[in-house]
Amino acid sequence: NAGVTQTPKFRVLKTGQSMTLLCAQDMNHEYMYWYRQDPGMGLRLIHYSVGEGTTAKGEVPDGYNVSRLKKQNFLLGLESAAPSQTSVYFCASRDTGDLHGYTFGSGTRLTVV
Amino acid sequence: EDKVVQSPLSLVVHEGDTVTLNCSYEVTNFRSLLWYKQEKKAPTFLFMLTSSGIEKKSGRLSSILDKKELSSILNITATQTGDSAIYLCAVGGGSNYKLTFGKGTLLTVNP
Repeated sequence: NAGVTQTPKFRVLKTGQSMTLLCAQDMNHEYMYWYRQDPGMGLRLIHYSVGEGTTAKGEVPDGYNVSRLKKQNFLLGLESAAPSQTSVYFCASRDTGDLHGYTFGSGTRLTVV
Repeated sequence: EDKVVQSPLSLVVHEGDTVTLNCSYEVTNFRSLLWYKQEKKAPTFLFMLTSSGIEKKSGRLSSILDKKELSSILNITATQTGDSAIYLCAVGGGSNYKLTFGKGTLLTVNP
């Protein structure tokens, strides 16, 4: 099993450009999450999904949009990138009955110049 | 708003020392507290503590949950350089079981 796969792993954007980060999981998990991690800030929740076709805002949703058209994929979009969105982005998933925490992807390092 | 506070934010020790990392929380409908270790990449799971499992131990690492004080500690004995990492505390709660993370403790173990 691949687990949770994030693409791309690295990306440099210019201010104002748009991009989509893809998260794919092959564990048939219902719940998926997007976090960002900045130095000294821990992980902060951007958006999450409790099932196919559903999304909800997390702690820091501004400037991001998400979609969950298929159960296995959770997309994170930046419509107009800003330097403040320079960060490491982690996707995670979990099953409905699993209280052992999340399965994380390996992260996407995004730099906005 | 759910809140998780870790202390200290950073810690430097020598190999062989014992360290204690702290985590306190304020979470609606608490369900579990988790500890993760993060080196270069994604966080890796260490322990999960719940109302029915307030102590966990694995090798040199152990953790205790104090539900009365809304806190947890992570102990590492006989530290090694390979223990150098960021240690994250996260608390799960609410109907959708979102994990709220603390800012982490950066542990550096010098030889």
